[in-house]
Amino acid sequence: AQTVTQSQPEMSVQEAETVTLSCTYDTSESDYYLFWYKQPPSRQMILVIRQEAYKQQNATENRFSVNFQKAAKSFSLKISDSQLGDAAMYFCAYWKRAQKLVFGQGTRLTINP
Amino acid sequence: GAGVSQSPRYKVAKRGQDVALRCDPISGHVSLFWYQQALGQGPEFLTYFQNEAQLDKSGLPSDRFFAERPEGSVSTLKIQRTQQEDSAVYLCASSIAQGVEAFFGQGTRLTVV
Repeated sequence: AQTVTQSQPEMSVQEAETVTLSCTYDTSESDYYLFWYKQPPSRQMILVIRQEAYKQQNATENRFSVNFQKAAKSFSLKISDSQLGDAAMYFCAYWKRAQKLVFGQGTRLTINP
Repeated sequence: GAGVSQSPRYKVAKRGQDVALRCDPISGHVSLFWYQQALGQGPEFLTYFQNEAQLDKSGLPSDRFFAERPEGSVSTLKIQRTQQEDSAVYLCASSIAQGVEAFFGQGTRLTVV
């Protein structure tokens, strides 16, 4: 069964600095998707960034980028120029199409002004 | 609708009471997922529908949990004889058939007292 592990329960960063959240996963599949979701106190899961496993190029969305290491099964999220609005729970997730999303346990990110 | 809608947003139930949680997916989305999220944890998969067919119910924790989607649109998650350990946020998500993104509702927070 697929598993997703986030080893950092909490992280904090100064406003405007850069922070990296870690994620590792386990799968025997070769075709899958990886996601980072943000969950603010409103509980709404918001997609931050998506990576297709067949793509070697790391995904980037504005201040958010990933470091996808397929052989190592590692998928970290880098947030540049951190803003107060980035404070939230961040979840790494694995998805084999037409199957269930598998989430990690989450990392609580605090932004210090 | 514009997004996934869940109702009620909050539900307080007395132990032993039956509850029904509703999910209205995005129009045209054939895939629908239910997740259970305990406080401070990542979402845990409960069940998955494609149209009206329940393709995976492996995550339902006991036979007190039942989900249906009779017309392939709105889904209801029913919990019978609620217990305190059922207290959690229940998240619903939907996607198109071969989609690469699941869209989440804001969840229903269930508190069993």
